[in-house]
Amino acid sequence: TQLLEQSPQFLSIQEGENLTVYCNSSSVFSSLQWYRQEPGEGPVLLVTVVTGGEVKKLKRLTFQFGDARKDSSLHITAAQPGDTGLYLCAGAAAGAGSYQLTFGKGTKLSVIP
Amino acid sequence: DSGVTQTPKHLITATGQRVTLRCSPRSGDLSVYWYQQSLDQGLQFLIQYYNGEERAKGNILERFSAQQFPDLHSELNLSSLELGDSALYFCASSPRLTGGHYGYTFGSGTRLTVV
Repeated sequence: TQLLEQSPQFLSIQEGENLTVYCNSSSVFSSLQWYRQEPGEGPVLLVTVVTGGEVKKLKRLTFQFGDARKDSSLHITAAQPGDTGLYLCAGAAAGAGSYQLTFGKGTKLSVIP
Repeated sequence: DSGVTQTPKHLITATGQRVTLRCSPRSGDLSVYWYQQSLDQGLQFLIQYYNGEERAKGNILERFSAQQFPDLHSELNLSSLELGDSALYFCASSPRLTGGHYGYTFGSGTRLTVV
């Protein structure tokens, strides 16, 4: 069973600050995704990274996949109240026969105006 | 609107009862996944169907079952309900057998409360 550990669990910051959240595992993943979930809604896909060392940017969000494809980070620059939500990482196991994504428990981010 | 439709949005029922949750995947998606989300466990994979066939099983209890119909909609049946089954149940869909590269599209979930 692949486990994804996310840290920190909770993060409360002021508007305009930068932050980084982490997603770590002892397992290798063929790809890793980040989702954001708002209360009462389902998670929404933000990005997919598939190559070790890959960096993707989505406006103020920067996603990185570790070289060994076991970890990932999400960096938000100049956080805004609209960034508030639960950030989930999810991995697709490397190797044949694994079809579903394994999710971390998430980082709950609150951005205070 | 994500394109994945889940009904009902809320469900309150008594212990011992049986309920059915329904999911219509995004148009064109062949895979349907069911997940259970609770505060302490996060999103837990239950089961996956692809084009009508069961393809993967997670930590799904024997009291729970699912199926995918020819029109690709799916139902999750929960029986002999216990208080601990109270959770958010999400359905997600993806175009292919593996969701890794294409990602999932989630519905808004069904909040089940067992009293």
